[in-house]
Amino acid sequence: ETGVTQSPTHLIKTRGQQVTLRCSSQSGHNTVSWYQQALGQGPQFIFQYYREEENGRGNFPPRFSGLQFPNYSSELNVNALELDDSALYLCASSLPRGGGSYNEQFFGPGTRLTVL
Amino acid sequence: DAKTTQPPSMDCAEGRAANLPCNHSTISGNEYVYWYRQIHSQGPQYIIHGLKNNETNEMASLIITEDRKSSTLILPHATLRDTAVYYCIVRVAYGGSQGNLIFGKGTKLSVKP
Repeated sequence: ETGVTQSPTHLIKTRGQQVTLRCSSQSGHNTVSWYQQALGQGPQFIFQYYREEENGRGNFPPRFSGLQFPNYSSELNVNALELDDSALYLCASSLPRGGGSYNEQFFGPGTRLTVL
Repeated sequence: DAKTTQPPSMDCAEGRAANLPCNHSTISGNEYVYWYRQIHSQGPQYIIHGLKNNETNEMASLIITEDRKSSTLILPHATLRDTAVYYCIVRVAYGGSQGNLIFGKGTKLSVKP
């Protein structure tokens, strides 16, 4: 186990609804990244948060948004859900920048979102 | 797009070494080679990474060619629990876009009894 937790584990929503997914990072990690993994595909980078600020974004529309809190936990919000949003959503936390350390990412178990 | 090419699937007998190849012919001088694996229905798990020297840890060994255009991940004694999708990723390791792991489709390794 990596110490990264996500909730809920599974979620079913209908098209047009909004959803919030949560992630608690590993202790001491101030960077959280979110990924979307469609069935049979590798994870795709959504965005990253570093010290409560968005710090990079992949090719996802603005209806995908996020937050990071002072304790470094994070939320992923998706508005106006579409059928193609059905996927496993993964968050990963990483070691602080600098200090000569590499930015290995530790992934949580994911939240399985189904949009009907 | 992913900067790596991997075979879609491989089989390995339990107890034997599993050698997973990866091509990364466009790798830049400041990019490392990372390997992650994803066991069914779990999040990806970091395995190992390297720049140009061969690396070994408790999980695996990483062999990088001298020209750095390809590498091989070696699981010395594969077990059934090593059945997973293995992803080879190249990325900078210091600063830059530290969050942006670009995953391809990986190699599905099946370890058979």
